Amino acid sequence: GQNIDQPTEMTATEGAIVQINCTYQTSGFNGLFWYQQHAGEAPTFLSYNVLDGLEEKGRFSSFLSRSKGYSYLLLKELQMKDSASYLCAVDSLAGGFKTIFGAGTRLFVKA
Amino acid sequence: IAGITQAPTSQILAAGRRMTLRCTQDMRHNAMYWYRQDLGLGLRLIHYSNTAGTTGKGEVPDGYSVSRANTDDFPLTLASAVPSQTSVYFCASSSDTGELFFGEGSRLTVL
Repeated sequence: GQNIDQPTEMTATEGAIVQINCTYQTSGFNGLFWYQQHAGEAPTFLSYNVLDGLEEKGRFSSFLSRSKGYSYLLLKELQMKDSASYLCAVDSLAGGFKTIFGAGTRLFVKA
Repeated sequence: IAGITQAPTSQILAAGRRMTLRCTQDMRHNAMYWYRQDLGLGLRLIHYSNTAGTTGKGEVPDGYSVSRANTDDFPLTLASAVPSQTSVYFCASSSDTGELFFGEGSRLTVL
């Protein structure tokens, strides 16, 4: 089976740094994605990791450790518009190529 | 504008009725997916299709069916709707890198 865990909610202050963790158990691992979803909108792509290490893209970075089944999304210089849900998703080749999502982490950015 | 188009945007229907949610993409992506999103549960995969002519079951397939007659269209049918199928439904397609592109969602209420 597959299992993806991430915190339900987090709160951070504007201008600060926040790290959202994700742990996963899956067979046929083929990569890990992070998506951002604002309330009432569709998810949008943030990052993709398939090899161990850190991927940096502007204010957002994503880290992966395949041996530990662990990833995190790092958001720097938080802005109010970063208030959203952040979804960790795992690509799996088990039983057919598909993407499975965690329940998501709701981030509240306060002034 | 290229992307995923879902219809209807919102629908209320009586339990026991048949309903088809439409999804069309113009990006020529091979893979397409249907997810439902419920509060606290995140996105759950209903059915997927890795290429035209093939479909597969996701995490929560019961009560739903799909078809993939061509590359562009991937309709989701509820043969006999039940209140537990009240949800927001997202259709998505994926590029060769696995990145998902989502439609705007279809909000379905079954009474």
